[in-house]
Amino acid sequence: DAGVIQSPRHEVTEMGQEVTLRCKPISGHDYLFWYRQTMMRGLELLIYFNNNVPIDDSGMPEDRFSAKMPNASFSTLKIQPSEPRDSAVYFCASSDRVRGNEQFFGPGTRLTVL
Amino acid sequence: KNEVEQSPQNLTAQEGEFITINCSYSVGISALHWLQQHPGGGIVSLFMLSSGKKKHGRLIATINIQEKHSSLHITASHPRDSAVYICAVDIQGAQKLVFGQGTRLTINP
Repeated sequence: DAGVIQSPRHEVTEMGQEVTLRCKPISGHDYLFWYRQTMMRGLELLIYFNNNVPIDDSGMPEDRFSAKMPNASFSTLKIQPSEPRDSAVYFCASSDRVRGNEQFFGPGTRLTVL
Repeated sequence: KNEVEQSPQNLTAQEGEFITINCSYSVGISALHWLQQHPGGGIVSLFMLSSGKKKHGRLIATINIQEKHSSLHITASHPRDSAVYICAVDIQGAQKLVFGQGTRLTINP
């Protein structure tokens, strides 16, 4: 298996633009997580899905952030409009509850909002 | 106060030394994870444990549920062990991780 795949790996955009981050979880995993990592706050959970259904989005910072999982093999995290304080590394991870819940992380997307 | 606290925040040691990183938590958990993040960013899961001890090569992780404490040990440390080590807990009853702030480990040759 290729592991969790994220795209793009790097994104530089200007304030006010829409940003879409993409994630393909490991095949067969039933949980998908979106995390954000900054120097100030470390790793934070934004939202997670179980069987494509959003379960907990309490970590989503504000209405500018939205996440979808239209099917078991694809999820998006969208920021509209983007702001400089959204600059961070965004990680996607997936896990299989039946096999023990270990989370497998993607390589991350480094977002810079100018 | 954070739900997950790690110590130390930074640790520098010489190659070959025995390393201990500590993690304390204040919530009920179903499991505890140790993660490794190298410069350049990738995050790798080292251990997931809910009791006792696990060993993988030179790495050992222990957990004491009653004391709400876990330790990560590295024996015969090597410069390639230099990384940030992150403790995270699965909150009991919720399928979500809460992270410590990380320990930056530097092993000098």
